[in-house]
Amino acid sequence: DTGVSQDPRHKITKRGQNVTFRCDPISEHNRLYWYRQTLGQGPEFLTYFQNEAQLEKSRLLSDRFSAERPKGSFSTLEIQRTEQGDSAMYLCASSSIDKRGNTIYFGEGSWLTVV
Amino acid sequence: EDQVTQSPEALRLQEGESSSLNCSYTVSGLRGLFWYRQDPGKGPEFLFTLYSAGEEKEKERLKATLTKKESFLHITAPKPEDSATYLCAVQADWNSGGATNKLIFGTGTLLAVQP
Repeated sequence: DTGVSQDPRHKITKRGQNVTFRCDPISEHNRLYWYRQTLGQGPEFLTYFQNEAQLEKSRLLSDRFSAERPKGSFSTLEIQRTEQGDSAMYLCASSSIDKRGNTIYFGEGSWLTVV
Repeated sequence: EDQVTQSPEALRLQEGESSSLNCSYTVSGLRGLFWYRQDPGKGPEFLFTLYSAGEEKEKERLKATLTKKESFLHITAPKPEDSATYLCAVQADWNSGGATNKLIFGTGTLLAVQP
């Protein structure tokens, strides 16, 4: 169990540019989530995948945001035409249902700063 | 609307001084209540999942309890290394108001333990 891996850990971009974050979930986890967290707040849900299917999206996920999970393994979150309000930490999490219940593990996050 | 409120917002303890953090929630059917620890600049670290009122779980100096309206995270004889933000989150039941897998987080309690 190597944990949830996110890349890059930090990204500084100019307003209007596109950015992409990658998440590698814990192997054998079929559920994958993206969250966004700003300073002093709890994480806010963005989207959820079960295997390769994107089953749930938040209203926070504007049309500038797109997430994919090809082949049900790693996932990418792309933000197009970034705005200063997109500056936040983007968190990926994964889980599976087992006899212990539902344990959702987070990665270390990808910090985005839009200048 | 599903909601999580954590109190206090910040708590300063002396090493060895036990205390409790509160998480009040309103949700239309609870599937699970989650506690996480978050260190500055890092992703949330999973601590516990509680599923039904009366359930308790322990890990080292931490003990989480659950009622129908709130959860407590009891910290016994804390050490400076317990300093962190503690986040509470709920996941709504599948059978109430539609399917969702998202976690709804509170804003956290910032705990500082002084030696």
